[in-house]
Amino acid sequence: KAGVTQTPRYLIKTRGQQVTLSCSPISGHRSVSWYQQTPGQGLQFLFEYFSETQRNKGNFPGRFSGRQFSNSRSEMNVSTLELGDSALYLCASSPRGLAVTGELFFGEGSRLTVL
Amino acid sequence: GQQLNQSPQSMFIQEGEDVSMNCTSSSIFNTWLWYKQDPGEGPVLLIALYKAGELTSNGRLTAQFGITRKDSFLNISASIPSDVGIYFCAGCLIQGAQKLVFGQGTRLTINP
Repeated sequence: KAGVTQTPRYLIKTRGQQVTLSCSPISGHRSVSWYQQTPGQGLQFLFEYFSETQRNKGNFPGRFSGRQFSNSRSEMNVSTLELGDSALYLCASSPRGLAVTGELFFGEGSRLTVL
Repeated sequence: GQQLNQSPQSMFIQEGEDVSMNCTSSSIFNTWLWYKQDPGEGPVLLIALYKAGELTSNGRLTAQFGITRKDSFLNISASIPSDVGIYFCAGCLIQGAQKLVFGQGTRLTINP
């Protein structure tokens, strides 16, 4: 069974630009959640999508958004990038979502560097 | 927002030693989980705990869900080189929207 796939793995952007990251969950998993990982703040929850609907949202500004498609693939977008957005963005999938379980399957992440 | 206090932040041990780390919170959680992250990889689930007082093992790993629902610990016995990595505790909140809150991580280094 293929794992969670995130693309791109690495990217470099400049301040003010926007970025879109993609996540393909494990086949059959309907929940996709996103996390930001930085050395200073650790792993922080961004949002969760389940069957194309945003179920939960963390404490991030509106510049961070996401969506989920009918095939459960998800994208997250960060607009007007700031230096502090440099981080590893992790996507995780689960069959039933955070309302039922915290057992997640993570991808390898997309490392974003903002210059 | 909710925070998990994970300690220690780092550990330097000899191969074969036992390891203990813990997480505490001011909030009640209905689930505690422990993940391990290797360099360049995403976290991998080690153990999930669903009941207060529950003690669960996974090979050389043992974790417990605290009676107060506000803490959990993870023990690793007879450490081996592949145990190196960062260990994260995580808790699922019991009220409001279900979100996963992570501890800051414990970085484990093993001297052969």
